[in-house]
Amino acid sequence: DVKVTQSSRYLVKRTGEKVFLECVQDMDHENMFWYRQDPGLGLRLIYFSYDVKMKEKGDIPEGYSVSREKKERFSLILESASTNQTSMYLCASRGRREAFFGQGTRLTVV
Amino acid sequence: TQLLEQSPQFLSIQEGENLTVYCNSSSVFSSLQWYRQEPGEGPVLLVTVVTGGEVKKLKRLTFQFGDARKDSSLHITAAQPGDTGLYLCAGHRGDGNKLVFGAGTILRVKS
Repeated sequence: DVKVTQSSRYLVKRTGEKVFLECVQDMDHENMFWYRQDPGLGLRLIYFSYDVKMKEKGDIPEGYSVSREKKERFSLILESASTNQTSMYLCASRGRREAFFGQGTRLTVV
Repeated sequence: TQLLEQSPQFLSIQEGENLTVYCNSSSVFSSLQWYRQEPGEGPVLLVTVVTGGEVKKLKRLTFQFGDARKDSSLHITAAQPGDTGLYLCAGHRGDGNKLVFGAGTILRVKS
């Protein structure tokens, strides 16, 4: 079974905190993605990475950064969390076409 | 503006009814995928369509890719309460690594 694992299911952080969301995949995929999902807006791409140490901005990168030091791990960083970053965060790993998702992290910033 | 437009946004039907969900774009996609997502979980892949005009069946679900590879549909026959969830279409344009998603269709099947 393919597996994408996100480090936390639920997180509550305070405004201004630095937040790390971790994602690990076991499929040896080169492409990994971070999306956020909000009601009525669908999945919006924050950042993606197509190789180790390589990254590209998605549609909504502001307020986020990423790190890909190893092929299997892709981290999303909120430099200074704000309340408008309260959302469901989904990590995905993609082979040739299909994406496989983690279970999601529900982040609440208070 | 969404690159992939899904309709309807919400659908509430009785068990046993049929339904169709649409995914439309003005852009050509090299492949389209359909995912189903349950509350609190990540999306799970249902199918990938690649060839224009392609039809794929998965039990009571029928997926079709438009001839021009700009649109797709998902038809569910005799819907069951277990079909309840968020259905997402996603496309890969072949000009990069991005996978873009529609906003989704929330389906509720009442028993």
